[in-house]
This record gives sequence, C-alpha cells and structure tokens, in this order.
Amino acid sequence: LAKTTQPISMDSYEGQEVNITCSHNNIATNDYITWYQQFPSQGPRFIIQGYKTKVTNEVASLFIPADRKSSTLSLPRVSLSDTAVYYCLVGDVVSFQKLVFGTGTRLLVSP
Amino acid sequence: DVKVTQSSRYLVKRTGEKVFLECVQDMDHENMFWYRQDPGLGLRLIYFSYDVKMKEKGDIPEGYSVSREKKERFSLILESASTNQTSMYLCASSLGQGGVYEQYFGPGTRLTVT
Repeated sequence: LAKTTQPISMDSYEGQEVNITCSHNNIATNDYITWYQQFPSQGPRFIIQGYKTKVTNEVASLFIPADRKSSTLSLPRVSLSDTAVYYCLVGDVVSFQKLVFGTGTRLLVSP
Repeated sequence: DVKVTQSSRYLVKRTGEKVFLECVQDMDHENMFWYRQDPGLGLRLIYFSYDVKMKEKGDIPEGYSVSREKKERFSLILESASTNQTSMYLCASSLGQGGVYEQYFGPGTRLTVT
C-alpha cells in the first residue's frame, strides 16, 4: 500500500503562500495523487489531482517530482477561509483496495 | 449540484443496539463508500460498493456490515454497537472505478455510543 505521511499541522498568516508536502514512498506506476480539503462539520472535498510534474487550477498548484515519492500542495496567498484539514490521497485507476487517506494536515491561517 | 446526504448529523445510541446509518446520492454514481474519521487517524475505509448488491471490505470492516439494495442508497449497519464505534462516519460516492476518481462526500454522522 502507498502509505502517505503529512505534517500534522501548519500555521500561516493571511496573504502568505503555503506549501504542504506529502510523502508516498511506495507509490506505484498506476497511482495518482489527489488532495482533498475538509472544513469543520463537513465532508472532504476534492481540490486537485496529478500524476507528475505540475498541475494548477483556480484553487491550488500541485508539484510532483520525477521520482513521484512526494508531492507538494501549494496554496497561493491564503486567507482565513483556507483554515482546514488537507488530505493527501494515493489511488489508481483500477482498484479501491489501495485507497488510503493520510492523517491530514491541519492548516491554521491567522490574521 | 451533486449531492450526498446522510440520514442524521448526530446520533446517540446505547451499547448493544443495532444502528443503521443511511446514505443517499443523487448523481447516479456506481461506487459508494463508508469511512470513519477519528482524531489522529484520519479517514479509514470501512466498506465500499461498486454496484447494487456488491460490496467489498475496506481496511476496518470488523463490527460493521453494509447493504446496497438500490444504486442511490448505501447503508452502514452496526449489528451491536460498542463504545469503540463512537466516531464520525462519512459516506462518499464516485463515478469511476478506482481510487483516482473524485469522491463526493456527505456531511457526516457523528455517532456516540454510550
């Protein structure tokens, strides 16, 4: 199983860029990396997904090095509303058996 | 707008009771999931279903069973609730086969077993 490891928590201030790294040393060839965001009292929601190099959408960027053993979620110019738990997930296109969410990173954004 | 709904936001049950948690999705998704979420442990997969009447065990199926009689509905059953099943339970659905496909989550049910 491609177990993931993330920092338990991070602190930031409004307007800063935040980078959250996830380690997945056992990632397999068919695995993709997906990040979810969870606000209190809500279920997680999809933010971004990638296989290699860099992916960017209106919310975040995802950087994946060539060896794919880690990935970095980048949130540009965070605001108070970005305070949430962020989960890194590794999964493939074939099976749900390898579906493993990490323990998540609790991001606190302060004024 | 896609939607996954769960029957209760909060539930309090006694030890030994049979507990049903219901989940309904309106997106015609093939796949549905039940997770539990505990502090420090993240989300752990209990069971998933890839079709009506089909189910597969996840990482922590002990003490739970599931039922999927209709495509839109996936039920989690605690046959005899115990205090160590006090947790937040999250239901999700996805369209495609495989963990790569986006999962849509419900708001969760916080279950307390006393």
